[in-house]
Amino acid sequence: EAQVTQNPRYLITVTGKKLTVTCSQNMNHEYMSWYRQDPGLGLRQIYYSMNVEVTDKGDVPEGYKVSRKEKRNFPLILESPSPNQTSLYFCASSFSKTVYYEQYFGPGTRLTVT
Amino acid sequence: TQLLEQSPQFLSIQEGENLTVYCNSSSVFSSLQWYRQEPGEGPVLLVTVVTGGEVKKLKRLTFQFGDARKDSSLHITAAQPGDTGLYLCAGYSTKAAGNKLTFGGGTRVLVKP
Repeated sequence: EAQVTQNPRYLITVTGKKLTVTCSQNMNHEYMSWYRQDPGLGLRQIYYSMNVEVTDKGDVPEGYKVSRKEKRNFPLILESPSPNQTSLYFCASSFSKTVYYEQYFGPGTRLTVT
Repeated sequence: TQLLEQSPQFLSIQEGENLTVYCNSSSVFSSLQWYRQEPGEGPVLLVTVVTGGEVKKLKRLTFQFGDARKDSSLHITAAQPGDTGLYLCAGYSTKAAGNKLTFGGGTRVLVKP
């Protein structure tokens, strides 16, 4: 089954404790991205990757890091989480970053930073 | 900054009624997508519209892209409880660096039986 998986689905942590949210897709997609979703703000892009070893900032990259060492994996790293990073996070992938291709989203990771 | 504004933010209707969700911007988009998101899940693509004035139908859902490619609407006829969810519009702009996809704030639709 074609899918994007994220782990963990739920995470409660404390300020300053490094964490990683994993994302994996099995569709051989080149393009992957991370979004955060906050009430009334829709989805805002954090980082994206056009291919292996190619990453770039989205709209809200501060406080986040990513890496793309393999085509299928695109982990999101919070080196020193803060309460304002409490949010619902989605990983997405698509065949290519053009206007015609559908983005497939993972199930989401709900992060709470206290 | 390109903005996509959706209205209304929340819509509660009875089963069988019709509803329309609007997605507006002052910017021109190369294409526009509509997604539906259910609780505990990620958004799922419903449709992509590319040409100004384009109308696409998906069963009881009708999507329209404005002539100037700055706005779009989603109309649901005879809504059913299964249509309940968060509807998101997202516009692609090829003028922005790297083909940017911008999401609207979403419209939460509740269809009561």
